[in-house]
Amino acid sequence: DVKVTQSSRYLVKRTGEKVFLECVQDMDHENMFWYRQDPGLGLRLIYFSYDVKMKEKGDIPEGYSVSREKKERFSLILESASTNQTSMYLCASSLTSSGEQFFGPGTRLTVL
Amino acid sequence: AQSVTQLGSHVSVSEGALVLLRCNYSSSVPPYLFWYVQYPNQGLQLLLKYTTGATLVKGINGFEAEFKKSETSFHLTKPSAHMSDAAEYFCAVSDDGSSNTGKLIFGQGTTLQVKP
Repeated sequence: DVKVTQSSRYLVKRTGEKVFLECVQDMDHENMFWYRQDPGLGLRLIYFSYDVKMKEKGDIPEGYSVSREKKERFSLILESASTNQTSMYLCASSLTSSGEQFFGPGTRLTVL
Repeated sequence: AQSVTQLGSHVSVSEGALVLLRCNYSSSVPPYLFWYVQYPNQGLQLLLKYTTGATLVKGINGFEAEFKKSETSFHLTKPSAHMSDAAEYFCAVSDDGSSNTGKLIFGQGTTLQVKP
């Protein structure tokens, strides 16, 4: 089975801190994604990557950056956390041929 | 551009009753369609998917969905609801049909409540 793991389930940070969210997948998937999920808004795509060192902006990239140095790992970076970035963050990966995305358990981030 | 609309943000059914969660999509190319389920404080889990072929797709936990091109719909059904089906359900469509980018467009989700 595909496994997507995220570094933390719960995280509390202070305004202005730099935050790293890590995601690792173990099935050699080309594509990796970062979403945020907020009540009533569904899943919104922040960034995605279709290959090592490649990245594309999603629908809401402002305030975020990403890094993909290795195929299995995709990091989301909040350069200077703000309270409006309090949310559930979900990582996913997929093979281009199937389209199906496999999700990690999520990181619930609270910025105080 | 592709889009997904889920009718009803909350659906409530009695245990044993039919479950019907509605999803309509717009797509300029033949779509790949997905239903995901999310239990509290967990990630999303694939219920079923349609890519090509048979339009009635069976998934896990007794769920199924039918792709109706003429209605641009992909509604999710289950004949008899169980208490464990209470969760949030997301419909999704591939961004470009052939899924070259791997991107999916998600609906806003429907919370299913199952009453005893």
